Formats: sequence, C-alpha cells, structure tokens
Amino acid sequence: DVKVTQSSRYLVKRTGEKVFLECVQDMDHENMFWYRQDPGLGLRLIYFSYDVKMKEKGDIPEGYSVSREKKERFSLILESASTNQTSMYLCASAPGSVNEQFFGPGTRLTVL
Amino acid sequence: KQEVTQIPAALSVPEGENLVLNCSFTDSAIYNLQWFRQDPGKGLTSLLLIQSSQREQTSGRLNASLDKSSGRSTLYIAASQPGDSATYLCAVNWDSNYQLIWGAGTKLIIKP
Repeated sequence: DVKVTQSSRYLVKRTGEKVFLECVQDMDHENMFWYRQDPGLGLRLIYFSYDVKMKEKGDIPEGYSVSREKKERFSLILESASTNQTSMYLCASAPGSVNEQFFGPGTRLTVL
Repeated sequence: KQEVTQIPAALSVPEGENLVLNCSFTDSAIYNLQWFRQDPGKGLTSLLLIQSSQREQTSGRLNASLDKSSGRSTLYIAASQPGDSATYLCAVNWDSNYQLIWGAGTKLIIKP
C-alpha cells in the first residue's frame, strides 16, 4: 500500500512565524502535491513537483514556497505565516506514469 | 472552462440501500477520473481510478462508471452501511497534465 505521511496532524503558530510542513511518501513516486482545503472552497493546489528539485506553481502559490531535495520528501514553507493561511493542508503523491493521487492524513494549521 | 460538478451536495439514505453518486464534467477529452472518500477532519482515501479508455472499475461494494460522451461518472455503492458515511469527491485529470480539477463533493449519511 502507498503510504504518505505528514509531519504533524495539528499545528498552532503565531503570525509572522516561518512554518515548515513536511510530507514523505514511500512508493518512489515522481509527482508530489500540496493542497489546502477550506470550507466552501474545496481543494486548491498550491504547488506540485514532478521531480527532485523541480516545482510548478498551482492555483494559489502566493505566500508559500516548496522544497524537494529528495524524491520521497516534499516540504511546504510558509515564509511568514498569516491568519488567512489557517487551513487544512493536504499532501499527495502520484506515480509519473498515471496521475493517480494518494493523500496523507492532512495537517490542520491554525495561525493566531 | 473545465469544470467538475457533483450533485447533490448531500444525501441521506437508510442502511442497506443501494445508491448512486453523480459526477459530471465539461469537455470529454479526459485522461482519467478518480473517486475519493474523505472522513471528517481527515485526508482523502483513493477509492477508484478510471482511465479514459475504461467504462467502469469495481472494488468490493463500489462500482464506478464512466461515460465520456455524456460527461458523466457515477459511483455506485451496494448495500450501504453506516461506515460508508463520508464525503465523496470526484476529480478529473484532463490531457495527462498534473492538475486535478475537483468537484465540491457529496456528503453521504447512512442512517442505521
């Protein structure tokens, strides 16, 4: 079974802090994704990566950056957290041949 | 514009009934379509992936069909159980790009 893990289930940070969310997958997938999910807005893609050190902006990249130094790990960085970044963050991975995405358990981030 | 629609937004049925969830999409040139399940406060669980060349996929009590010409997919759940209560999301991948376009989901409640 594909396993995607995220570093924290719940996280509380203060405005202005730098926040790191980490995602690890164990299936040697080429593609990894970061989404945020908000009530009424559904899932929105922040960034994705199709290879080590490669990244592409999704629909809402502003205020976020990403890092993929190793194939299995994809990090989402909030350079200076703001209250409007309070959300559920979901990581997913997919093999390069077929875009079948597998999700982690999510991180509920609250920015105070 | 490529869009995915799920109607109804919510559905409540007695335990034991067979039921159908609907997903419609604009533009029939899809690459694949994926059905997910999400429990409250949790990540997404992949249920079924249907490739463009397929008409249906089955997993246990679940059967997903695809009719590209009419822009529709259905998720059939046989002999529903209270444990099936969750939000069901469909997502479409067009032209083998990396992005999924998401429906808003159908919240399913199975009454004991």
